[in-house]
Amino acid sequence: GAVVSQHPSRVICKSGTSVKIECRSLDFQATTMFWYRQFPKQSLMLMATSNEGSKATYEQGVEKDKFLINHASLTLSTLTVTSAHPEDSSFYICSAIQLGQGMNTEAFFGQGTRLTVV
Amino acid sequence: DAKTTQPNSMESNEEEPVHLPCNHSTISGTDYIHWYRQLPSQGPEYVIHGLTSNVNNRMASLAIAEDRKSSTLILHRATLRDAAVYYCILRDDNYGQNFVFGPGTRLSVLP
Repeated sequence: GAVVSQHPSRVICKSGTSVKIECRSLDFQATTMFWYRQFPKQSLMLMATSNEGSKATYEQGVEKDKFLINHASLTLSTLTVTSAHPEDSSFYICSAIQLGQGMNTEAFFGQGTRLTVV
Repeated sequence: DAKTTQPNSMESNEEEPVHLPCNHSTISGTDYIHWYRQLPSQGPEYVIHGLTSNVNNRMASLAIAEDRKSSTLILHRATLRDAAVYYCILRDDNYGQNFVFGPGTRLSVLP
């Protein structure tokens, strides 16, 4: 099956710094990528939808200036957590949908990034 | 809002079949039923999806009720590696192309 690679898998940063997470579709082109966050023992919560070449669409309550999303190519989307605080510590997951596919297709998920802000 | 309801948790014995139910009483005619699972500290993994007919693949089977208001994911022989949270998701044009995750069912497999 298709592969989505997320990097880094784990990162620790200091409060006030910024962290960039990359999400790559390795063997397919993805017009749309999604970013989720997940707190312990909870389900995935959609943060934003990222379309190649256009601005991301953020879910209600997600600060777009804090969580910067860039989808510069059909195979790469990045999420930058700016001025990180300890409450931003979470498991961040990206997913991608293959170009030209509709509802009758699965999404492919990255392995997730564990962010810890100290 | 999640449009599906699933039991919070289930248990199974190793090498026995597991039937994971999902209710989706407000499903529309064009909604596809998707199942994903998430192992600890990993991203979700695709399991199976279908529209109206029952579906089989190497991982599982999906049984869809005739009225499509419920479905069941069937693992034919549970292994310890099948212990995960299983999510039943409807893909709906109203949500764009998003996958909206509910709480899912935490499956424990006992040796």
